[in-house]
Amino acid sequence: GIQVEQSPPDLILQEGANSTLRCNFSDSVNNLQWFHQNPWGQLINLFYIPSGTKQNGRLSATTVATERYSLLYISSSQTTDSGVYFCAVSNDMRFGAGTRLTVKP
Amino acid sequence: EPEVTQTPSHQVTQMGQEVILRCVPISNHLYFYWYRQILGQKVEFLVSFYNNEISEKSEIFDDQFSVERPDGSNFTLKIRSTKLEDSAMYFCASSEWGGSWSNEQYFGPGTRLTVT
Repeated sequence: GIQVEQSPPDLILQEGANSTLRCNFSDSVNNLQWFHQNPWGQLINLFYIPSGTKQNGRLSATTVATERYSLLYISSSQTTDSGVYFCAVSNDMRFGAGTRLTVKP
Repeated sequence: EPEVTQTPSHQVTQMGQEVILRCVPISNHLYFYWYRQILGQKVEFLVSFYNNEISEKSEIFDDQFSVERPDGSNFTLKIRSTKLEDSAMYFCASSEWGGSWSNEQYFGPGTRLTVT
């Protein structure tokens, strides 16, 4: 099956810093989503982005489907951005292992 | 904004008991899914459901699991005889389309199942 790798596994930032999270996948996909799992365990939809670029406030994402990767950008990070960020691909939503982000005040 | 809802938010059960986890997908969605996440691990696909049939299932979804759409709004996951290793967060999701068409899945808040 399709393999999904996320990097880095852990990331610690000071509030206000920018970051880039990466998701690599091993085969072509017709669906890619980014999620933020908050401390209560809820999966919050960030982006549905099988290709192209999208922006939502301080967050943006880019998927280059031909090169099989997606990037999630977080600018001016806040403590509330802390949590685990997952990408998931394909119709049966293969999830990566996630990037655990900690933003320190 | 429409959302997927799940009940209960937390279920505690004894090993060997049957549990039913309930979900109400978004009303105009046609595809329904269950996922699980063991504490500290990644989210794993269990099953997808369309037109009152299972369309795909993972190797995790063995004979102790079953899914049903008992009426026009609910979608349920039944675990027949729970084991300790079934303790996990279970997420329901729905999408307007599926199959070979690209689709955005909307996730519910999850049910935390604890088997003692």
